[in-house]
Amino acid sequence: DAGVTQSPTHLIKTRGQQVTLRCSPKSGHDTVSWYQQALGQGPQFIFQYYEEEERQRGNFPDRFSGHQFPNYSSELNVNALLLGDSALYLCASSSRWVTQYFGPGTRLTVL
Amino acid sequence: GQQLNQSPQSMFIQEGEDVSMNCTSSSIFNTWLWYKQDPGEGPVLLIALYKAGELTSNGRLTAQFGITRKDSFLNISASIPSDVGIYFCAGYHGSGNTGKLIFGQGTTLQVKP
Repeated sequence: DAGVTQSPTHLIKTRGQQVTLRCSPKSGHDTVSWYQQALGQGPQFIFQYYEEEERQRGNFPDRFSGHQFPNYSSELNVNALLLGDSALYLCASSSRWVTQYFGPGTRLTVL
Repeated sequence: GQQLNQSPQSMFIQEGEDVSMNCTSSSIFNTWLWYKQDPGEGPVLLIALYKAGELTSNGRLTAQFGITRKDSFLNISASIPSDVGIYFCAGYHGSGNTGKLIFGQGTTLQVKP
């Protein structure tokens, strides 16, 4: 039973560029949430997708957008990258219950 | 916004000792979760608590959902070197399956063999 998978593992971009991160949920899960984790901090909620719609959103600007596909996988897009966007981006999946299982994350470095 | 205060921030203990950490909030949560994160990895779920007053164990780990619903505790008994890592508490805010986790700042645990 595959867990939550994310790609790529690492990514280096320059300021102003755009980036797309991908997530495949755990088998049987239909809800995907995205979190940003800065170094030394706890994860911060970005948004959540269920039934291909954004259901909840944290305090992140519109530069952060997402999408969920019919197979429940999801993408996180960040436009006009800033140095402060450098972080570990985590995807978590869940189904029916609130328990969320996390993927290994994508380490984004903005230069 | 909602914040969770997790303490202590860090602990350095001897192998075999017991560990206690806690998490408090100004808001009520319906679910508390405890995760462990190793450097460069995603958080791994340790214990989930769904009812106020609930006490749940997972091997050497025991966690409790405070009766006020504003706090939770995690205990690790007889620590071993592989317990090293960062422990996060998280409270669930939302309804049904659509909601978000609010995380504490983490407790860094180091175990001396």
